[in-house]
Amino acid sequence: NAGVTQTPKFQVLKTGQSMTLQCAQDMNHNSMYWYRQDPGMGLRLIYYSASEGTTDKGEVPNGYNVSRLNKREFSLRLESAAPSQTSVYFCASSRGLSSGNTIYFGEGSWLTVV
Amino acid sequence: QKEVEQDPGPLSVPEGAIVSLNCTYSNSAFQYFMWYRQYSRKGPELLMYTYSSGNKEDGRFTAQVDKSSKYISLFIRDSQPSDSATYLCAMSESNYGGSQGNLIFGKGTKLSVKP
Repeated sequence: NAGVTQTPKFQVLKTGQSMTLQCAQDMNHNSMYWYRQDPGMGLRLIYYSASEGTTDKGEVPNGYNVSRLNKREFSLRLESAAPSQTSVYFCASSRGLSSGNTIYFGEGSWLTVV
Repeated sequence: QKEVEQDPGPLSVPEGAIVSLNCTYSNSAFQYFMWYRQYSRKGPELLMYTYSSGNKEDGRFTAQVDKSSKYISLFIRDSQPSDSATYLCAMSESNYGGSQGNLIFGKGTKLSVKP
């Protein structure tokens, strides 16, 4: 069972470069999320998509854009990477937004901006 | 004051010990409480889920919620080296719309169980 798959797993960027993190889920989930995890800060929500065709800002959306390409795929784009965006990024999905729905996380993407 | 406070540890215990992990929170509207386990260089995985106050038991794990004190706990009995991980608490309010988008995580407690 693949679950939530993220690519790439590791990436080093130079300041100002752009890149897209890809995410796909095979659980037929409606809702998808992008989080970042930093030491001492915990998991913080960047953007989420309640369902195909909708996206909403989370706690820390500045410097990011997202695209819900279809029900399976939700990408995160850094248009002009900054060192402050060095982090571990997690994609996640759930059946719906209701709190009773389990969120399933991918294995993470380690991004370093130099 | 952060909405959710969690002691980051690290916490080191011998195999077989009872482990107590805790979070406090300030938002009295939180109704849903979760514990996630995160192994090194992996994504978090849901361990326990409770709604409102009370206890929930699953094998060696027990989750407790005390809404009057705004305090939640995760107990691990007969701890094993395989329990070594970071444990994250998470909580959200009761409203349906966007509630998962408002899931608030603690910073996590790193647990090490020594053989």
